[in-house]
Amino acid sequence: EVRLVQSGAEVKKPGESLKISCKGSGYSFTNYWIAWVRQMPGKGLEWMGIIYPGDSDTRYSPSFQGQVTISVDKSINTAYLQWSSLKASDTSIYYCAKNAMAGSSWQPSDYWGQGTLVTVSS
Amino acid sequence: EIVLTQSPATLSLSPGERATLSCGASQSVSSNYLAWYQQKPGLAPRLLIYDVSSRATGIPDRFSGSGSGTDFTLTISRLEPEDSAVYYCQQYASSPRTFGQGTKVEIK
Repeated sequence: EVRLVQSGAEVKKPGESLKISCKGSGYSFTNYWIAWVRQMPGKGLEWMGIIYPGDSDTRYSPSFQGQVTISVDKSINTAYLQWSSLKASDTSIYYCAKNAMAGSSWQPSDYWGQGTLVTVSS
Repeated sequence: EIVLTQSPATLSLSPGERATLSCGASQSVSSNYLAWYQQKPGLAPRLLIYDVSSRATGIPDRFSGSGSGTDFTLTISRLEPEDSAVYYCQQYASSPRTFGQGTKVEIK
């Protein structure tokens, strides 16, 4: 069974750093691109970027370039999304999602994590 | 960046009725790389349709997709109560991949 299990909810203060995780299982983790998607409270979906666990090739949306870092540790089948200095506007649910076909970044997302709620408040 | 515009914002229909959701792109979506997702409150999105008209695994045949170029449609042929959700289109033909703003389907 394919599963993407994300780390738990976080409450942080502005200016703090954070790294959330997404652990894949039930499939060949290194062969499928993983995307990160933001959903602000009560709003729609925003594509942030994508990473290929096989070689860590990473692409960012211009809206998120320089604001977050996407990384992966293929030895433990885990992708990460991190911030060096959080802002209140980073308060959102963040989803990871795997691409539907191996090898190609130009794919829809067929399996999603359960989401990680990040709350940034002083 | 390809901007996707969905209409209507909200659709309120009765069980058994047909729902037609539209997704318009600011430029042509190449290779028919357009998908539809369903999201229910508190849950992650679920892939319904990919490559404009292919149903994802386990998706009932009352869901169908059509279109090409810049105009795409998701049709739910006979609404069930469990179809109450927000539906998003997404293009994955160019970077950044983008989503529409969503259409909320309410079941009366």
